[in-house]
Amino acid sequence: EIVMTQSPATLSVSPGEGATLSCRAGQSVSSNLAWYQQKPGQAPRLLIYGVSARATGIPARFSGSGSGTEFTLTIGSLQSEDFAVYYCQQYNNWPWTFGQGTKVEIK
Amino acid sequence: QVQLQESGPGLVKPSQTLSLTCTVSGGSINSGSYYWSWIRQPAGKGLEWIGRIYSSGSTNYNPSLKSRVTISIDASKNQFSLKLSSVTAADTAVYYCARQFSTLPPDYWGQGTLVTVSS
Repeated sequence: EIVMTQSPATLSVSPGEGATLSCRAGQSVSSNLAWYQQKPGQAPRLLIYGVSARATGIPARFSGSGSGTEFTLTIGSLQSEDFAVYYCQQYNNWPWTFGQGTKVEIK
Repeated sequence: QVQLQESGPGLVKPSQTLSLTCTVSGGSINSGSYYWSWIRQPAGKGLEWIGRIYSSGSTNYNPSLKSRVTISIDASKNQFSLKLSSVTAADTAVYYCARQFSTLPPDYWGQGTLVTVSS
């Protein structure tokens, strides 16, 4: 299975600042890369699919980029509701796999 | 608006079979090119895909769990189900059901249900 590695494990950010999260795939996943946001006690919420396409209702401050094995989620000007855990996920090869997550916490 | 809701026992004894059902509302489980998935998350840990079923009944299982997993669909009840046999404490997790369209990642998820394996 494809191993997804996220960095950093924890990111401390002040509200209003931007954040950059990284995700590396163990082999190419083409453009089949998604990002999810998860808050405590909630199911993951799809933010980005196809590397850079925002899911329905996702604000423009969330953007994705990358290709092949290296991917980035950028959050511009963090709002209070953005502090959460973020997971990348590949859906190129079965079984689909997730990264271990990056926790974005308030600095 | 599609909604998914997991249901089933919250406590299962070791070596027994875990059984969960996901009820879909706001849309037909048979409509369109949808896959219906089960995903789990141990407390404080990451997410693991268990498997998925297409509306036709074809399935894909995670090889790490394949020998113990059965996913089935009951279109008459608009439900799909998960059975995981010979459970151990390592199977204790929040179990989510989710919907995905064609080759895209899941966009609708249930709220999740905690299943604890303990005697």
